[in-house]
Amino acid sequence: AQSVAQPEDQVNVAEGNPLTVKCTYSVSGNPYLFWYVQYPNRGLQFLLKYITGDNLVKGSYGFEAEFNKSQTSFHLKKPSALVSDSALYFCAVRPLTSGTYKYIFGTGTRLKVLA
Amino acid sequence: EAGVAQSPRYKIIEKRQSVAFWCNPISGHATLYWYQQILGQGPKLLIQFQNNGVVDDSQLPKDRFSAERLKGVDSTLKIQPAKLEDSAVYLCASSRIGMTGQETQYFGPGTRLLVL
Repeated sequence: AQSVAQPEDQVNVAEGNPLTVKCTYSVSGNPYLFWYVQYPNRGLQFLLKYITGDNLVKGSYGFEAEFNKSQTSFHLKKPSALVSDSALYFCAVRPLTSGTYKYIFGTGTRLKVLA
Repeated sequence: EAGVAQSPRYKIIEKRQSVAFWCNPISGHATLYWYQQILGQGPKLLIQFQNNGVVDDSQLPKDRFSAERLKGVDSTLKIQPAKLEDSAVYLCASSRIGMTGQETQYFGPGTRLLVL
């Protein structure tokens, strides 16, 4: 079965330190990969996506993600965390099956940046 | 440009009642999605429309859930009758037309449903 795993329910990091939010996936072929962020009582906001090309993708708010095909991972990173980055982060995969383009979401990782 | 609009933002109903949610996608976005997000889980696709046609409704509980997008713009999702396990946030998303799968989905703020 196709799936997305976010192994950490919560990640704590001190403000100014680098952060990593992990995502691994199990789908056939080369899927498209996405990261979204969700603030309280708000919908998901798009951060970045990997379609093809350079394995390091840059996105909104200083975030970037590294695609690793051999490890089937797509970890979200930021060199210097801000308190305002505290939110719920979702990794999503879009398998390249015909007829539908639905995301498969992970269960989310809560990022807490401590001042 | 204006984002995806949803209403109501919150709804509390008793089990066995019916409820409807409304979504207005971003202007020009032909594809519309409804997701169910249960607390502690990632969103799960319920139904996907391309214009006013259904592309994927494989995960829609059709005995109680229905959705329509009659004019290819606004959409309504209905639950009738509601069960306790339907308590969730219902997210609407839209994307530009295109069948490559690369199109980014943009999400509305969601409707939080509580079934008592």
